[in-house]
Amino acid sequence: QSALTQPASVSGSPGQSITISCTGTSSDVGGYNYVSWYQQHPGKAPKLIISEVSNRPSGVSNRFSGSKSGNTASLTISGLQAEDEADYYCSSFTTSSTLVFGGGTKLTVL
Amino acid sequence: EVQLVESGGGLVQPGGSLRLSCAASGFTFSSHWMHWVRQTPGKGLVWVSRINSDGSGTSHADSVKGRFTISRDNAKNTLYLQMNSLRAEDTAVYYCVRGGKTVVDYWGQGTLVTVSS
Repeated sequence: QSALTQPASVSGSPGQSITISCTGTSSDVGGYNYVSWYQQHPGKAPKLIISEVSNRPSGVSNRFSGSKSGNTASLTISGLQAEDEADYYCSSFTTSSTLVFGGGTKLTVL
Repeated sequence: EVQLVESGGGLVQPGGSLRLSCAASGFTFSSHWMHWVRQTPGKGLVWVSRINSDGSGTSHADSVKGRFTISRDNAKNTLYLQMNSLRAEDTAVYYCVRGGKTVVDYWGQGTLVTVSS
């Protein structure tokens, strides 16, 4: 199972919005509404911020939103804040009944 | 509060074995599927293995199939990963992760496994 494709890095200024893409295939992202997004700060464990394409777990800021079109899912962060600077990973359920992750995107808040 | 505490990592020679453990608390362990996910230092996340809630079904990534075995003891609220025939490319931080069939939610802090001579 090949990793999902994410941009290596994105950046934005405080207050702006950014979008991170996550591209897979019809065997994973395109085949199921089981795309999740995780935030990982340096030296910390990943934290679930979006599940099932667009659902936010309790306690996650509504500045985070998710969507999907075809084989590509997207994470949008609005009103960027310094604390949003982190690595972001997408994942998807697959036709093999396994999970596959993206390569990760480093978000820099300028 | 959900807590997942991994142990058992360390330095091992190529071809050697290690058993990772994960002590779970703060939730009904026997009701959740569990996973192991690894992260190579400075790189991305890779799903390794998963086990269903009663331990009757498991799945492993192709890269570890035949070498790694996931198991659990619901009476002890503990998840395990037996790793045999270790290779240099298995060097990573191994995370114990709670989840279901299609998503993982809570992550432990990870344990570092280094395979080197």
